Amino acid sequence: KAGVTQTPRYLIKTRGQQVTLSCSPISGHRSVSWYQQTPGQGLQFLFEYFSETQRNKGNFPGRFSGRQFSNSRSEMNVSTLELGDSALYLCASNGQENTEAFFGQGTRLTVV
Amino acid sequence: AQKITQTQPGMFVQEKEAVTLDCTYDTSDQSYGLFWYKQPSSGEMIFLIYQGSYDEQNATEGRYSLNFQKARKSANLVISASQLGDSAMYFCAMREGPSNFGNEKLTFGTGTRLTIIP
Repeated sequence: KAGVTQTPRYLIKTRGQQVTLSCSPISGHRSVSWYQQTPGQGLQFLFEYFSETQRNKGNFPGRFSGRQFSNSRSEMNVSTLELGDSALYLCASNGQENTEAFFGQGTRLTVV
Repeated sequence: AQKITQTQPGMFVQEKEAVTLDCTYDTSDQSYGLFWYKQPSSGEMIFLIYQGSYDEQNATEGRYSLNFQKARKSANLVISASQLGDSAMYFCAMREGPSNFGNEKLTFGTGTRLTIIP
């Protein structure tokens, strides 16, 4: 059974640009959550999707958005990138019993 | 107040010894879940163990066990017979509320960096 796949693994973008990150959950998992990890703020919840609907949202500006497709794959988009958006972005695939949350390897975004 | 507190920024442990990583939590919900993750330098978050608030037995997964003390709001991770490959960051996390969809948000602690010494 394949794990959670995040693409790309690494990204370098310039301030002001926008970026799209992708996450494919474990087969059969319908819920996907996104997190941002930085040295200063630690791991912070961005948003959660289930059946193409955003169910929960963290305390991030509107520049951060996401969506989920019918095959449960999810994308997150960050517009007008700032230096502070440099982080490891992690996607979690949540099982039906909600006793497991499996993460992908993350996308390391660097904004220059 | 912090919802998840990990008071040990770093720990050094001799190989083959057991190690306990501390985690205390704060919630007013009766139903919640507690998770432990390992994050090696590669960045991937590796799920280790889960404990539900209504679980009467402490969770165990191989060399990992969770010492759950509900009254003290404590969920310490115990690693038995530590190995060099256990060197990593360890995070405690909590999901507040019942385990149904629409409630997957995890709140993480600041982590403990564990180093196993040969």
